[in-house]
Amino acid sequence: AQKITQTQPGMFVQEKEAVTLDCTYDTSDPSYGLFWYKQPSSGEMIFLIYQGSYDQQNATEGRYSLNFQKARKSANLVISASQLGDSAMYFCAMREGIQGAQKLVFGQGTRLTINP
Amino acid sequence: EPEVTQTPSHQVTQMGQEVILRCVPISNHLYFYWYRQILGQKVEFLVSFYNNEISEKSEIFDDQFSVERPDGSNFTLKIRSTKLEDSAMYFCASNRESSGGPSLSREQFFGPGTRLTVL
Repeated sequence: AQKITQTQPGMFVQEKEAVTLDCTYDTSDPSYGLFWYKQPSSGEMIFLIYQGSYDQQNATEGRYSLNFQKARKSANLVISASQLGDSAMYFCAMREGIQGAQKLVFGQGTRLTINP
Repeated sequence: EPEVTQTPSHQVTQMGQEVILRCVPISNHLYFYWYRQILGQKVEFLVSFYNNEISEKSEIFDDQFSVERPDGSNFTLKIRSTKLEDSAMYFCASNRESSGGPSLSREQFFGPGTRLTVL
């Protein structure tokens, strides 16, 4: 079974609109972390936002916020006031457990295109 | 701001040749990782490394792969005999501590990647 599912292979949004990128996850571990990374065409992985399973509030980082719905096992990324520079691949990832080295498991990604 | 660095940025090699991909993690980080991303696909975990030994490896990380931390700064991935299907972007990542720590320290920092092309 997929641990991280991103159901939107591509999204097209007008500049200045808000956009929501979907991510659902599957784990039986009560301790986990959820990440969003941006990958522009140049290829590097840029960390955007993190949500811990025990965090009481939804994470926010500037124009990025994470809509964390624990019961639904979803961690959607919301980008407010989209900009042309937001066009990129976006990956949701999960880390399980709290001890030691913990790998990230990634979803398939969503390609976001912002239209002027 | 400290960052993970990787060299080379692009490596072209012939099938069957050995390659070594190099990474310099952030200096006070303790946990190190290699991931790969085949063109157009998702990022896949290869191996994690802590306290000078492998913590976990994926099924992709077979006998052709090895990792080493030869000194206090470098972290290398060696592919002994490259195959065409090893062509991918290889990312090194590091983090300072396990996720029991403060939120800001839980981020896994990625290097810019090495694009490996096997001909």
